[in-house]
Amino acid sequence: AQRVTQPEKLLSVFKGAPVELKCNYSYSGSPELFWYVQYSRQRLQLLLRHISRESIKGFTADLNKGETSFHLKKPFAQEEDSAMYYCALSLGENKLIFGTGTLLAVQP
Amino acid sequence: KAGVTQTPRYLIKTRGQQVTLSCSPISGHRSVSWYQQTPGQGLQFLFEYFSETQRNKGNFPGRFSGRQFSNSRSEMNVSTLELGDSALYLCASSLFASLTGSGANVLTFGAGSRLTVL
Repeated sequence: AQRVTQPEKLLSVFKGAPVELKCNYSYSGSPELFWYVQYSRQRLQLLLRHISRESIKGFTADLNKGETSFHLKKPFAQEEDSAMYYCALSLGENKLIFGTGTLLAVQP
Repeated sequence: KAGVTQTPRYLIKTRGQQVTLSCSPISGHRSVSWYQQTPGQGLQFLFEYFSETQRNKGNFPGRFSGRQFSNSRSEMNVSTLELGDSALYLCASSLFASLTGSGANVLTFGAGSRLTVL
């Protein structure tokens, strides 16, 4: 069955500390994965997608097919990174399934 | 360029009633998807329309239905409301037919319609 798992509901770090938000997936096909972010009182928006292989706001994510993971990383957290982060898997066409999300809280 | 617009933003209904939510996609976008967001279940896919055709449907009862018009605007309807239908309903639009294989296509979300069922 297709599934996206984000094991941490809450991740609290101090400003300047490294961040890793975990995401594991289960999918029989060739996966295409995304990270979406929802800042307080803002819309859900795309942060990055693995196919683009880019860094957005200092965040990167590498697809590891062997470990079926797509963890989101940032070397130095900023207070403005505090938000809800969702990992999502494309099931083809425009259908996404989302993980349950991880709330990142960056303490000053 | 206007974003995805959802109306109404907030509404309160009672059990047994029905509700219709509207979504206007970004101009030129032909795909509209609907998601239900709740604290307990997170974001769950409801359905997706492309050029007026429903292509995908999530695991929701038949009380949940939708349609897309020729101008790409979409509506979703929930009949015989239950308390558990209280949620934020999100609409997203995209330009192309598929998210896979192209870095250009993304889902752009609206602000949502918050439904409370009493």
